[in-house]
Amino acid sequence: AQRVTQPEKLLSVFKGAPVELKCNYSYSGSPELFWYVQYSRQRLQLLLRHISRESIKGFTADLNKGETSFHLKKPFAQEEDSAMYYCALSGWLDTGRRALTFGSGTRLQVQP
Amino acid sequence: NAGVTQTPKFRVLKTGQSMTLLCAQDMNHEYMYWYRQDPGMGLRLIHYSVGEGTTAKGEVPDGYNVSRLKKQNFLLGLESAAPSQTSVYFCASRTLDRPNTEAFFGQGTRLTVV
Repeated sequence: AQRVTQPEKLLSVFKGAPVELKCNYSYSGSPELFWYVQYSRQRLQLLLRHISRESIKGFTADLNKGETSFHLKKPFAQEEDSAMYYCALSGWLDTGRRALTFGSGTRLQVQP
Repeated sequence: NAGVTQTPKFRVLKTGQSMTLLCAQDMNHEYMYWYRQDPGMGLRLIHYSVGEGTTAKGEVPDGYNVSRLKKQNFLLGLESAAPSQTSVYFCASRTLDRPNTEAFFGQGTRLTVV
């Protein structure tokens, strides 16, 4: 079974403060991990994927296989970062099919 | 490009009524998914499909049925709606012709069962 845990439902920070959105996963193989973001009244969209090791809108995420974590970080939060963030894992099921499993999401509020 | 389109966007049903949600994608993706989004529970997978004519159960399949008669369409049916099915439903599609591909989402369907 594969599972994604996001322990924080809400994270509220002030503009310019550092942000870390936590994500832990459970999967027996090599996971494909993603962060998706949902801005107000918009559809979910991909923010970044672990394989790319890229920085998108100032956000980065590092896969830590020892801790089974994929935390999302940004050094200086902006008001436009306020949104719902979902961590997701794509892994093979016993059925030979690949499922995309999401965490429960963390709402980030950046206050002025 | 249209991407992933869901119809309808909003619907109110009475308990016991039936309805079908339609998801259409124009990207020739093999995989399609139906999720429901509830406060505090995130996105939970209802059913998914790995190709035309195939479907599989996800995490919360009870009370729902699906069909994928054409590659571009994935239908989600509620035979007898219950208030517990009040939720926002999202469809997504994805290709798996290479690793780590992005899932594309529809705009969501807000369903209220009274």
